[in-house]
Amino acid sequence: QVQLQESGPGLLKPSETLSLTCTVSGDLISTSDHWWGWIRQPPGKGLEWLGIIFSRGQTHDNASLKSRVTLSVDTSKNQFSLRLNSVTAADTAVYYCARQFGLGRWYLDVWGRGSLVTVSS
Amino acid sequence: QSALTQPASVSGSPGQSITISCTGTSSDIGNLNLVSWYQQDPGKAPKVLIYEVSKRPSGISSRFSGSKSGNTASLTISGLQAEDEAEYYCSSHSSGDALLFGGGTKLTVL
Repeated sequence: QVQLQESGPGLLKPSETLSLTCTVSGDLISTSDHWWGWIRQPPGKGLEWLGIIFSRGQTHDNASLKSRVTLSVDTSKNQFSLRLNSVTAADTAVYYCARQFGLGRWYLDVWGRGSLVTVSS
Repeated sequence: QSALTQPASVSGSPGQSITISCTGTSSDIGNLNLVSWYQQDPGKAPKVLIYEVSKRPSGISSRFSGSKSGNTASLTISGLQAEDEAEYYCSSHSSGDALLFGGGTKLTVL
């Protein structure tokens, strides 16, 4: 059974950098055919896709975030990570990591439970 | 890239069928058959119900079905049950290799 678990600070100040890590169990990032991604959901609002990364480091991300997003993968720890710089209150959200099934399939079949990140001075 | 358009809310009585629409453009929904649908209960992570327009993952009830016509995709839930009350999101691959979500539709079972 594949499981994903987000971890990272829950409270940030404006202008700081958000850093979250997703630990994968039940699947090996290094040999998997899947991509690994991040999605966020502001309180009471809808879902926003942030980007995905493959085991060899290839990425696709949401152009609307204007290069604030950096994705990385650590296959030795079976983890992947999200960095979002220059955060503001608008970045307050539940951040989910998820597995994007297969190559070119473009759907998210396994999700983490989510991690609430609040940006406040 | 704009979000896909969904109705804010739909409702139905137990046993009825309801359909949720999801409208995009020729650059996303109308481009490839890469539309998926998710169900989200309050405080929980979304769960995939439909992928590639009309395919159901293992364990998803056959009461959930998906279709697409042009730039609009649809999710139909038949034999509505109280447990179906949730938020529903569509998503689609978009040109430039990105994933778009709809704004979400709250389903109320009367």
